[in-house]
Amino acid sequence: KQEVTQIPAALSVPEGENLVLNCSFTDSAIYNLQWFRQDPGKGLTSLLLIQSSQREQTSGRLNASLDKSSGRSTLYIAASQPGDSATYLCAVRGGATNKLIFGTGTLLAVQP
Amino acid sequence: EADIYQTPRYLVIGTGKKITLECSQTMGHDKMYWYQQDPGMELHLIHYSYGVNSTEKGDLSSESTVSRIRTEHFPLTLESARPSHTSQYLCASSEATSSGNTIYFGEGSWLTVV
Repeated sequence: KQEVTQIPAALSVPEGENLVLNCSFTDSAIYNLQWFRQDPGKGLTSLLLIQSSQREQTSGRLNASLDKSSGRSTLYIAASQPGDSATYLCAVRGGATNKLIFGTGTLLAVQP
Repeated sequence: EADIYQTPRYLVIGTGKKITLECSQTMGHDKMYWYQQDPGMELHLIHYSYGVNSTEKGDLSSESTVSRIRTEHFPLTLESARPSHTSQYLCASSEATSSGNTIYFGEGSWLTVV
């Protein structure tokens, strides 16, 4: 059974710092991995999607990497801003039913 | 911007009431999903559908039911709400390809059963 873990559970950084969020998964047979952002009381917004054949994807200040063999992904946020404060979730898609399995999330607070 | 809509956004109802959470998407996606998320907890898949007249239960057992009569519509129903059903319910959709398609989420429906 696929299990997705995110470390740390919570992170607080001063504005302007670069930071890395970690995601690990137990079954490397995945189709893709996605990173989402969730603001309090709202739905999820997709940030980046990495296909199983890719090693990284970039969008603006965000860079996501994927190491399928070791079951790890990282989300790098450059020059963090208070507006980046949110919960960040990673999710992997794969397996017989092609379902999306979510991690527990990292709550990020960027202090002005 | 992805077009997937959920109503109501917030609802407080009494125990024993029947409630239907609506979800509609205008993207023509075949796959649709319902997730449940308690505050501060991870998301859990409770129902999914790969097309019209196709519905399956997800990983987390739920007393809710769903239907998929039209591609764009995937309502979730609780026949008799209980306080344990208090949670956020998120609807999502994605295109029916083997990989590489982003899943789009609605804003969520916050349900409180008193």
